[in-house]
Amino acid sequence: GAVVSQHPSRVICKSGTSVKIECRSLDFQATTMFWYRQFPKQSLMLMATSNEGSKATYEQGVEKDKFLINHASLTLSTLTVTSAHPEDSSFYICSARGPGTGDEQFFGPGTRLTVL
Amino acid sequence: QKEVEQDPGPLSVPEGAIVSLNCTYSNSAFQYFMWYRQYSRKGPELLMYTYSSGNKEDGRFTAQVDKSSKYISLFIRDSQPSDSATYLCAMRRNSGNTPLVFGKGTRLSVIA
Repeated sequence: GAVVSQHPSRVICKSGTSVKIECRSLDFQATTMFWYRQFPKQSLMLMATSNEGSKATYEQGVEKDKFLINHASLTLSTLTVTSAHPEDSSFYICSARGPGTGDEQFFGPGTRLTVL
Repeated sequence: QKEVEQDPGPLSVPEGAIVSLNCTYSNSAFQYFMWYRQYSRKGPELLMYTYSSGNKEDGRFTAQVDKSSKYISLFIRDSQPSDSATYLCAMRRNSGNTPLVFGKGTRLSVIA
């Protein structure tokens, strides 16, 4: 149980375009989802926390107008990177937790974004 | 000083060795401590979860927390090539929705 999927697993886009990444909880209701970014050889850095039906809470230094998060249902959250630039190239990972996961977050497999 | 410090390695050991991975932290409010394993280009997978100080054992893995020293460890016994991955420590102050703070991760290679 407690499986989280992400789509796409890899995306390459041109600078200036927008990219949407989906995070789904497959076998539990995710009341809270977290979005992380991981640069090469670096740790996971929390970008934002979203509770179903509420606006996301962004970490300091993360532009909420650039990284749009929607958590409209108990099984789906989306992260849209708007007007992507090469410096946004990174590994984006979501995690989710809910009543069925105890106290823990379960991570998705990640999405590798490359902006040309 | 970063909240969580972890030597990034890389650490290379022969198959069968005992591996010791460590993290130190500065925030005494942390109460929940976790170790994750992350294979290349994959999401982290929870290995061990510990609340407060003490030891926890699960198969070949043992997690230790020493809150007085702000030091946590993960031991892997009889290491296998399949254990080759990056190991991340993580911790948080409270349960539930409190954000996790991660270490940088230690890259481990177990050589057959």
